[in-house]
Parts: sequence; structure tokens; C-alpha cells
Amino acid sequence: KAGVTQTPRYLIKTRGQQVTLSCSPISGHRSVSWYQQTPGQGLQFLFEYFSETQRNKGNFPGRFSGRQFSNSRSEMNVSTLELGDSALYLCASSLGSTGSTEAFFGQGTRLTVV
Amino acid sequence: DQQVKQNSPSLSVQEGRISILNCDYTNSMFDYFLWYKKYPAEGPTFLISISSIKDKNEDGRFTVFLNKSAKHLSLHIVPSQPGDSAVYFCAASGGLGGGYQKVTFGTGTKLQVIP
Repeated sequence: KAGVTQTPRYLIKTRGQQVTLSCSPISGHRSVSWYQQTPGQGLQFLFEYFSETQRNKGNFPGRFSGRQFSNSRSEMNVSTLELGDSALYLCASSLGSTGSTEAFFGQGTRLTVV
Repeated sequence: DQQVKQNSPSLSVQEGRISILNCDYTNSMFDYFLWYKKYPAEGPTFLISISSIKDKNEDGRFTVFLNKSAKHLSLHIVPSQPGDSAVYFCAASGGLGGGYQKVTFGTGTKLQVIP
């Protein structure tokens, strides 16, 4: 069973540009969550999508957005990039049913904003 | 506001001894807690979890203890092995509906097991 796949693995962008990251969840998983990891801040929850709807949202500005497709694949978009957006962006998938399920993480996309 | 806190950024333990990683939380709505392990250049991997209706959960060498009154949980690894060297993240979730999918992570503790 294939794991969570994130593309691309590495990305370098310039301030002011926008970027789109992609995540393919484990087959059968309907929930996809996105996290930002920066040194000293741990993993910060961005948002969670379930059945193409944003179900949970963290405390990030509107420049951070996402969507989920009918096949559960998800994309995350960051517009007007700032230097502080440089981070490892992790995607996690889970069954998403109400109740407590652990998530399976991808390897992440390392974004560098210069 | 860091709702899940791991106050020890690093920990060194001799191989064969016990590793104890600690975690404190402030949000009383949290009722499900997880530990993840992360190696460099990889995503976090689920290790063990505990529901608030329990105070202990064991899986092989890993045991998680939950003290709800103190809003504290700990992960015990016995015996510690060099392959356990990684960053360990404590995480918490809870609430109604899809709240379990909104997971709050701590900042991590880097464990080094010395051979």
C-alpha cells in the first residue's frame, strides 16, 4: 500500500511569488491535513480537508489556502510569499472518521523563500 | 499560545536505560493524545496514543502515561536503543465532530541514545 506522497520535495521561490504544493493520500483515506514545520515551532496545523470540504482550520493568514479533489488528493497554495514562509510543509492523511485516528505523514516539501 | 509544551528540547540516554519524554498541555478540551517519532528527512511516524479515559497505554517497549489532573503525559521507552534516536513529538486533539483531526503538536524533544 503506497504511503502519502508529496510533490515536489524541494522548492525555491522568490518573495512575492505564489506556490502550490501537492499531496496524494493513502488510498481510502478521506482526510488530508497540512502542517508547517519551522525550527523551534514544531508542527503548526494549517487546515484539514475531508470529502472536498475544509473541516478544520488553524491560525494562519488567508495567504494560505487549500483544496481537496474528489479523489482525496489535496493541494496547498501560498500566495505573496514572505521570507518567513520558508519551512517544511507536511501533509498527513487519515481515514477521517469521527473518532481518534492516527495520521500518516508524507516526507514533506521543503520550501525556501529567497 | 503553545497549548502543547515539550519543555526539554533534547535528551541523552545510555543504551539499555529508560528514556522518559515529557509533555504538558493547557487545553482541557483535549482528550486524545499521540506521540510521533521523526527521523531527519522523513515525515513523522505514529508511535502510540492514549485516550483520556485511560491513564496508561503500553505497546512493546513504549508506554504512555496520562495524568489528566496535572495535564501531563509522558512517554517511557524501555530499554532504549540507538535506533530510537529521533525527534519525538507529543500531540493532542479533541472536541466534537471533526475536532480529532485538528491536532496540536508540541515543539519536539530530540532523543539521543548513546551506545
